Amino acid sequence: KAGVTQTPRYLIKTRGQQVTLSCSPISGHRSVSWYQQTPGQGLQFLFEYFSETQRNKGNFPGRFSGRQFSNSRSEMNVSTLELGDSALYLCASSPYLAGIYNEQFFGPGTRLTVL
Amino acid sequence: GQQVMQIPQYQHVQEGEDFTTYCNSSTTLSNIQWYKQRPGGHPVFLIQLVKSGEVKKQKRLTFQFGEAKKNSSLHITATQTTDVGTYFCAATNTGNQFYFGTGTSLTVIP
Repeated sequence: KAGVTQTPRYLIKTRGQQVTLSCSPISGHRSVSWYQQTPGQGLQFLFEYFSETQRNKGNFPGRFSGRQFSNSRSEMNVSTLELGDSALYLCASSPYLAGIYNEQFFGPGTRLTVL
Repeated sequence: GQQVMQIPQYQHVQEGEDFTTYCNSSTTLSNIQWYKQRPGGHPVFLIQLVKSGEVKKQKRLTFQFGEAKKNSSLHITATQTTDVGTYFCAATNTGNQFYFGTGTSLTVIP
């Protein structure tokens, strides 16, 4: 099976812009989770989608949003970008809800730089 | 906020020395997972522990889940340069909330 894919791999934006990142999970996986990784904050959970519904949400402002499509592919959107949004955004998929006795399979991430 | 603390944050060891990282929670956990992230890479699942007091081994790696299900450890015996990376625990609490630990960055000096 193909692994988790994320596009684009690298992105440079300026403050105030918005960005959309895409994640294609492993075939058959219904859960997609998003994480923000920065050197100072580690891996921060953004949200999890399962069967097109947001099941869990981390402690991030409303500028961060996401959705999941019927084929389990997911997108996350960040509006009104700030310098502090510069990070590696990781997507992870699992057959069922993350953490419920399921390992997560991570994609390579999207490196977002906000200037 | 973060509910799973991991120590130490950084560890430098000579090749051949042992290494241990600890994961601690203030609340009871349903299960705990361990992941490894190589420099420039993404987290890769290592193992999952579910039962109180559970111990699992993978070659030179030993994973333990505390009796009270509030802490866990990963021990590497006789480290090798291939062990370099950041080790994360990831825990599910009894409310089904999922958190990653802060991670321990391991450097192995040849």
